[in-house]
Amino acid sequence: DIQMTQSPSSLSASVGDSVKITCRASQRIGTYVNWYQQKPGKAPQLLIFGASNLQSGVPSRVSGSGSGTDFTLTISSLQPEDFATYYCQESYVMPFTFGPGTKVDI
Amino acid sequence: QVQLQESGPGLLKPSQTLSLTCTVSGASSTSADYYWSWIRQPAGKGPEWIGRIYPTGSTDYNPSLESRVTISRDTSKNQFSLKLTSVTAADTAVYYCSRSMVSGYNWFDPWGQGTPVTVSS
Repeated sequence: DIQMTQSPSSLSASVGDSVKITCRASQRIGTYVNWYQQKPGKAPQLLIFGASNLQSGVPSRVSGSGSGTDFTLTISSLQPEDFATYYCQESYVMPFTFGPGTKVDI
Repeated sequence: QVQLQESGPGLLKPSQTLSLTCTVSGASSTSADYYWSWIRQPAGKGPEWIGRIYPTGSTDYNPSLESRVTISRDTSKNQFSLKLTSVTAADTAVYYCSRSMVSGYNWFDPWGQGTPVTVSS
């Protein structure tokens, strides 16, 4: 299986800050990475697919980049609704492993 | 708008079989464009893909669970189901159903609201 690691595991930020979350795959996977946001008690919601493609309805302050083994999710000008946990997921090969998550809080 | 809703018992004893159903609305579960998946998430951990069913009815499973998992569908009810045998405390999690495109980056969207399952004696 491809292993996905994320850093940091948690971070504290303020409204208006820019934050970057890193995801690393254990082998090269092209741009087969997706990003999700999850709020407490809710299901994950798709933010980014194919490393850099913004899902419909997701604000443009959210962006993704990277290819190969290293990927980044950037949220610029953090808003109150952005405080949540973020997961990356490899979609290159089954079993489509998710990362352990990065919690963004105040 | 596609919506998915999980249902099933929330409390099981060790060695029992977990059975969950996902009801699809706003789309056909037999559409040739989509796979239908089960995903679970233990408390405080990242999600884990369990498996999926193809439009044709064939299936793929996570190798770590393959010996205990069966995913099936009821086209007349627009539902697909999960069976997980011989459960243990390690199977305690929130279970979600979701959809992914046959052609694409295998992203999961949308997700059901999730149903919590606890395995305890």
